[in-house]
Amino acid sequence: DAGVIQSPRHEVTEMGQEVTLRCKPISGHNSLFWYRQTMMRGLELLIYFNNNVPIDDSGMPEDRFSAKMPNASFSTLKIQPSEPRDSAVYFCASSLTSTGGVSPLHFGNGTRLTVT
Amino acid sequence: AQSVTQLGSHVSVSEGALFLLRCNYSSSVPPYLFWYVQYPNQGLQLLLKYTSAATLVKGINGFEAEFKKSETSFHLTKPSAHMSDAAEYFCAVILLIGSSNTGKLIFGQGTTLQVKP
Repeated sequence: DAGVIQSPRHEVTEMGQEVTLRCKPISGHNSLFWYRQTMMRGLELLIYFNNNVPIDDSGMPEDRFSAKMPNASFSTLKIQPSEPRDSAVYFCASSLTSTGGVSPLHFGNGTRLTVT
Repeated sequence: AQSVTQLGSHVSVSEGALFLLRCNYSSSVPPYLFWYVQYPNQGLQLLLKYTSAATLVKGINGFEAEFKKSETSFHLTKPSAHMSDAAEYFCAVILLIGSSNTGKLIFGQGTTLQVKP
């Protein structure tokens, strides 16, 4: 089990540039979550998908943020245009929805984004 | 609405000593609760989960947590701290997606554990 894989691990970009973060969930998992972690706000849920369909995007801060899940093994989080206040660590997590017991989320190692 | 509150943003403990990290929850339904640990520059790793079975939950690496409904608490303990336990710890409650068995995690603010030699 390779775990949740995120890329890149670090991203430094200038204000106004487009940023794309990538996530490969654990094979077989059918729920995917994007979180943002900052010192001020802690861990915030941005959006989550179930069976590739966005279920709740109420945490997406504004229209500059968008997320897609074109298939069960890949998701992207895009920020366009980026701003310095977007600097944070972005985590992707996945879980398995089934009829069994409560399924925890498994997290990737995150992408540390710095916008200058 | 469901939420968790972690009391104490920083806890310091001596190596070999017992430590307790506090978590209180608010929920109108029986909650499912989790403890995660985050080491520097890494993602969150699941330590243990409470899913309405036994109230005393044992996790990895000697961690335990006890669900106390009367106190709305789910504190994390370990009998003997190791230097490698220095990390940030998060308590979380899950909001299930409809009638499914998974959903979004709502996290507390985290507690940083320092272990002194």
